[in-house]
Amino acid sequence: QVQLQQWGAGLLKPSETLSLTCAVFGGSFSDFYWNWIRQPSGKGLEWIGEINRSGTTNYNPSLKSRVTMSVDTAKNQFSLELKSVTAADTAMYYCARRPLAGAVAGTLNSWGQGTLVTVSS
Amino acid sequence: EIVLTQSPATLSLSPGERATLSCRASQSIGDYLAWYQQKPGQAPRLLIYEASTRATGVPARFSGSGSGTDFALTISSLEPEDFAIYYCQQRSFWAITFGQGTRLEI
Repeated sequence: QVQLQQWGAGLLKPSETLSLTCAVFGGSFSDFYWNWIRQPSGKGLEWIGEINRSGTTNYNPSLKSRVTMSVDTAKNQFSLELKSVTAADTAMYYCARRPLAGAVAGTLNSWGQGTLVTVSS
Repeated sequence: EIVLTQSPATLSLSPGERATLSCRASQSIGDYLAWYQQKPGQAPRLLIYEASTRATGVPARFSGSGSGTDFALTISSLEPEDFAIYYCQQRSFWAITFGQGTRLEI
């Protein structure tokens, strides 16, 4: 049973860089794309982007200029950096797993617990 | 970017009733559509993939249908634990998009 455990700074000032990490326990790290999704309070889900173990990334075009994702295969971890944050980046951030193959290849079938990030001066 | 539009925004029903939630894509996505359930304070949970296949452990009262641009999630007889927010999701052109959600309330 795979578990995704995430952490990172929860309170940032405007213009700072958001940094979150997600660790994968109990499953393969190779056969998936590793995703970040965010959700402002009371609002819907927004996909941020994804990375595979080789470091290949796909980003949401609306965030691409500020997003960097990285992967540490030795630790089965992946990370998100979002630079120059504003209050509009305040949200719950989730990490999630997307299988590379099979019928579930387009879905996010395991999620982390979420990390609340608040941007305030 | 493919836009997913869900309707209605809010659906008010009672336990035991049948619920039908809709999701429309801005262009054809075949059957590459998933549905998620989200309860307060929790991460979303995958319910349906490939438009109509239930994920592991999902009760049989949940069913998905549709292809192309029009999709539906049906809950045949609502249980108290089914009252939540439901999102549809697709992946194409190297990007994932979600619908805006339907709140299913008592």
